[in-house]
Amino acid sequence: GAGVSQSPSNKVTEKGKDVELRCDPISGHTALYWYRQSLGQGLEFLIYFQGNSAPDKSGLPSDRFSAERTGGSVSTLTIQRTQQEDSAVYLCASSLAPNTIYFGEGSWLTVV
Amino acid sequence: QKEVEQNSGPLSVPEGAIASLNCTYSDRGSQSFFWYRQYSGKSPELIMFIYSNGDKEDGRFTAQLNKASQYVSLLIRDSQPSDSATYLCAADSNYQLIWGAGTKLIIKP
Repeated sequence: GAGVSQSPSNKVTEKGKDVELRCDPISGHTALYWYRQSLGQGLEFLIYFQGNSAPDKSGLPSDRFSAERTGGSVSTLTIQRTQQEDSAVYLCASSLAPNTIYFGEGSWLTVV
Repeated sequence: QKEVEQNSGPLSVPEGAIASLNCTYSDRGSQSFFWYRQYSGKSPELIMFIYSNGDKEDGRFTAQLNKASQYVSLLIRDSQPSDSATYLCAADSNYQLIWGAGTKLIIKP
């Protein structure tokens, strides 16, 4: 696609439920990143994919968080047993080379 | 720990003046440097990138890089109220970008 597409744009979920966030990167971009940004805070790196492989998962906050990427394209970030502290905007970004990255509009998650 | 440091601000600049945003980085191996603009409630958007020492100009924006001092800056000429946003500086480190926390810029009409 023309840009990085994320869905859902907004999600309100009850504490303890699982959520899935989807990212469709720019066509041809091999690198894909997930970031989290809490209100008024900076970007928190979660995970990086090169193709379907995730060389760096070090940013995932806990084992409730997981991500996968299939076909070198779409990626899904899954949060199990959501907690209120998971409320944030989850940003996906992609790049052709591992530097100039382009962000999607984000998925705003609210855990109530 | 590789870091990118920015003054959080807010930096208040009168409309029409030059806004100067600064950033330092710790990884001497970084080769590429990026400025992103983030409006409140929106995702970051790329403004400029710079690889070489010196200045790079794009319209009202000029990026400056000094690798010896590990210093990157962004100048915005003829500042407009629409430039009010948070500006994020990033430096490449291996496969990813190391991000500063951002400087909030306010342009006063």
